Amino acid sequence: SQQGEEDPQALSIQEGENATMNCSYKTSINNLQWYRQNSGRGLVHLILIRSNEREKHSGRLRVTLDTSKKSSSLLITASRAADTASYFCATERTGANSKLTFGKGITLSVRP
Amino acid sequence: EAGVAQSPRYKIIEKRQSVAFWCNPISGHATLYWYQQILGQGPKLLIQFQNNGVVDDSQLPKDRFSAERLKGVDSTLKIQPAKLEDSAVYLCASSLTRAPPLHFGNGTRLTVT
Repeated sequence: SQQGEEDPQALSIQEGENATMNCSYKTSINNLQWYRQNSGRGLVHLILIRSNEREKHSGRLRVTLDTSKKSSSLLITASRAADTASYFCATERTGANSKLTFGKGITLSVRP
Repeated sequence: EAGVAQSPRYKIIEKRQSVAFWCNPISGHATLYWYQQILGQGPKLLIQFQNNGVVDDSQLPKDRFSAERLKGVDSTLKIQPAKLEDSAVYLCASSLTRAPPLHFGNGTRLTVT
């Protein structure tokens, strides 16, 4: 079963604009991660936020986590055409032998 | 560092045939994962190895799928016999320990006709 649900399913923006993607999940987590996947390629890890953190930054990426609402958002500022890709949130649930569970992903298109 | 290597890149087979995929993780990475990604969906974990032992294979269809990681390095995933619904991209990933991040290969795209 897929733990994370991303929203929207698809997003199209102009280069230079900001892109905001949301993820909701159902159970308690140790951490939440965001990955990017370019067409025909594997996934690339972008950023991880732990359950006791509320916000994290990495370059043009900003991720927030609200454990009370079981939701996270990924903000990409000043988007570039090269940011065009699918973005997945993945949650690591609490408990022993916890595996990473991915959502269905968001398709981001950045128009030059 | 060299990334996760997978082969073949593409494979087309008929249903009921068998197929095998190969993965060589990043050197020194103890944990290896096989994921199945159906078109339009996120990756689903099939099996996770820690060195050469299985940590989680709860979502592996064991009547037709098998995987091994001999000597705790590279790994093979086999499907026998294949069904139409096995058409997907099979992704291999590795991590230094059981902690993130995961490093993914480019996958093998399997088409079952």
